[in-house]
Order: sequence, then structure tokens, then C-alpha cells
Amino acid sequence: DAGVTQSPTHLIKTRGQQVTLRCSPKSGHDTVSWYQQALGQGPQFIFQYYEEEERQRGNFPDRFSGHQFPNYSSELNVNALLLGDSALYLCASRSSGGTQTGELFFGEGSRLTVL
Amino acid sequence: LAKTTQPISMDSYEGQEVNITCSHNNIATNDYITWYQQFPSQGPRFIIQGYKTKVTNEVASLFIPADRKSSTLSLPRVSLSDTAVYYCLVGPYGGYQKVTFGTGTKLQVIP
Repeated sequence: DAGVTQSPTHLIKTRGQQVTLRCSPKSGHDTVSWYQQALGQGPQFIFQYYEEEERQRGNFPDRFSGHQFPNYSSELNVNALLLGDSALYLCASRSSGGTQTGELFFGEGSRLTVL
Repeated sequence: LAKTTQPISMDSYEGQEVNITCSHNNIATNDYITWYQQFPSQGPRFIIQGYKTKVTNEVASLFIPADRKSSTLSLPRVSLSDTAVYYCLVGPYGGYQKVTFGTGTKLQVIP
């Protein structure tokens, strides 16, 4: 049973460029959340997708956008990249049917470096 | 959302029991307490969740006093592989994922 998979694992961009990160949730999961983790910090919630709609959003500018596809996979798009966008981007999935804990399953992340 | 406070770092010898305390003074009635573990360059991994009193699973125990203003994650007989960052999250069941993880507690297990 594949867990959460993310691609690419590493990428380098320059300021002003745009990036797209991809996530496939764990089998049986329909809810996907994205997090940004800067070096030495804990993950910060960006947004959550369920039924192809953004359901919750953290304190991130509109440069951060996303999409969820009918197969529950998701993309995170970041426009007009800034140096401060350099971070590990984590995708997490869970089932809306819910385990008793609402446990999140995380992928290994995509390491973005903005030069 | 309830703010949490944890020690920044802790050291422990192999084989010892480790207790990491999290303070959450403004926890709400419908909030749960959830702990995650993260190794370098990996995503966090769920450890345990509780609402009150004590919860135990195969890897840890979670102690929550009656006032629920704090909680303690207990790791029995730690090994080197337990060296990681541990995060305490407080939020409503099914909604805690919106909570920022904070800086967590970096546990270093010493041989």
C-alpha cells in the first residue's frame, strides 16, 4: 500500500519564477493538506483540499494556490517566487470518513530552493 | 487556536524513559492533544492522541491532567532511533491539521 508520494523531491528555481509541486495521497484518502516547513521551524499549514475545493487556508498570500483532481491527487502552485519561499513543502492526507484520531499521513516532501 | 509551549531541546541516555511536557493553557473544550514525531528531511509521523486522563499505545503514553492545561508525552526506554523532533498540537478533532506545528522539542538520545 503506497503512502503519500510527492514530486519532485528537490528543485531549484530563481526569484520571480513559478513552481508546481505534486502529491498523491495514501490509498483510500480523499483529503489533502499542504504545509511549508522552513529550516529549523515546524510545518506551517498552507491549505486543505477536499472534494476538489479549498476548504481551509492558513496565513499565506494568494501567490500560493492549489488544486485537487478527481482522483484526489493535488498540486501546489507558487507564483512570483521569493527567496523566503525556500523550504520543504509537505503534503499530508487523511480520510474524511475519519479514523478516531484524524491522523495525518505525510509524504517525504519537496525541497524547494529559490536563488 | 490554543497556543502550545514545549521545551526547545532535551537530551537522554539510551534505555531511559523520556517525558516531554507541553503547555496549552487556553485549550478549548472540544480540543484534542496530538503528538507527532519528525526525523530530518522526512514528514512528521503521528504518535498518539488524547482528550483526557491517560492514553497508551505500542510506542508511547500520553498523560493529561484533569484541567487539560498541559500534557506529557512519555517514551519508554528510548533508543538512538528515537532522536527526532516531537511536536505537540492542540485543536479540534478533524480540524487540528490547521494548527501550525510550532518549533517542537528536539530530543537527542545519547549512547
